[in-house]
Amino acid sequence: AQSVSQHNHHVILSEAASLELGCNYSYGGTVNLFWYVQYPGQHLQLLLKYFSGDPLVKGIKGFEAEFIKSKFSFNLRKPSVQWSDTAEYFCAVNPNAGNNRKLIWGLGTSLAVNP
Amino acid sequence: GAGVSQSPRYKVAKRGQDVALRCDPISGHVSLFWYQQALGQGPEFLTYFQNEAQLDKSGLPSDRFFAERPEGSVSTLKIQRTQQEDSAVYLCASSLRAGGPHNEQFFGPGTRLTVL
Repeated sequence: AQSVSQHNHHVILSEAASLELGCNYSYGGTVNLFWYVQYPGQHLQLLLKYFSGDPLVKGIKGFEAEFIKSKFSFNLRKPSVQWSDTAEYFCAVNPNAGNNRKLIWGLGTSLAVNP
Repeated sequence: GAGVSQSPRYKVAKRGQDVALRCDPISGHVSLFWYQQALGQGPEFLTYFQNEAQLDKSGLPSDRFFAERPEGSVSTLKIQRTQQEDSAVYLCASSLRAGGPHNEQFFGPGTRLTVL
């Protein structure tokens, strides 16, 4: 079945540690890729997105993600996390880019950063 | 408005009751989406509007679910004869254009529905 997989459901890090959250999808063809973040008590907001061009995408708050087409992956990275990065992170895919804009979501990864 | 708003923020319903959830998208946004997010899960697509036209309702789980956007702005998601499995957060999102790249979806805070 077509799906979006996030490998890490719960991640606990200390401040200044590096972060990498995995995301794989199973759709062929052209896709648009997104990472959204939900801080405690807040609504979902966009961290970064990939539509085309440079597969290394930079987003807000020092986050970046790399699209590797051959691996169907779009992993999220941050070199040095802060306590304020504690949140839920969701990977989402638009599997039929341009024709149907609905997003298919992973289950999310809960990140806790200890000060 | 400044962002997508949803009301009510919390709704408790007895099994069998009908509920109506409202979404006010960002002014001028053409596209509107409804998602359902169960506890511990990612959002699941329900339906999509382009202006007042409902172009995709493939995610609506049953005929008890109905959505409308009659004037192309405010949308209402109605659930008839609620069941316990309907308990979830219902998210609304809007985006500026009907298609093309860089078409970010902006999300509201959600309505948390609890069916007893």
